[in-house]
Amino acid sequence: DAGITQSPRHKVTETGTPVTLRCHQTENHRYMYWYRQDPGHGLRLIHYSYGVKDTDKGEVSDGYSVSRSKTEDFLLTLESATSSQTSVYFCAISNWRALGEQFFGPGTRLTVL
Amino acid sequence: GQQVMQIPQYQHVQEGEDFTTYCNSSTTLSNIQWYKQRPGGHPVFLIQLVKSGEVKKQKRLTFQFGEAKKNSSLHITATQTTDVGTYFCAGSTEYSTLTFGKGTMLLVSP
Repeated sequence: DAGITQSPRHKVTETGTPVTLRCHQTENHRYMYWYRQDPGHGLRLIHYSYGVKDTDKGEVSDGYSVSRSKTEDFLLTLESATSSQTSVYFCAISNWRALGEQFFGPGTRLTVL
Repeated sequence: GQQVMQIPQYQHVQEGEDFTTYCNSSTTLSNIQWYKQRPGGHPVFLIQLVKSGEVKKQKRLTFQFGEAKKNSSLHITATQTTDVGTYFCAGSTEYSTLTFGKGTMLLVSP
């Protein structure tokens, strides 16, 4: 498996609290992605990064922000968590925007009560 | 925006039967990828197709990319219990990121 980790792996929080999820890679891949996975919706792109401090929005970016201050780390922040953000969050890495394999992390299961 | 539809949503087969999942795009794609996700796991890349009419095989799995580059299929011959999981297609145009289909969940009974 590619060197990609996510932390925490599980989190339960309350509505209105801020939450930050971390993705860390040891592969030096240029692109990093945050997806959410919900039953019946497949994988939906939240935000992605194409370099340090270079990020762009995905399909479901409302309520989320990201930061990438180092090549190896990509943070996803929920400024004020809502129950609709209860989901499994996957980070992925690749060397190209859409051509070529994406390697996925193990996922973070987030529950917002 | 770009949409990728996948059917069926779910299929339950007996071990040894064949299985096919289909993927259709609203736009012409530059490439299509297939991923497998085991229950409780993360998506794992299977293959990428980029040429019109392309066919690729991996043991019992056959992947096709349509002539118009708007559809694709994954066919598994003689399913095994190890094939259980959800299969996703994901497509992109020249300037977009990957868009994933909703997946087909495959259950195989021994």
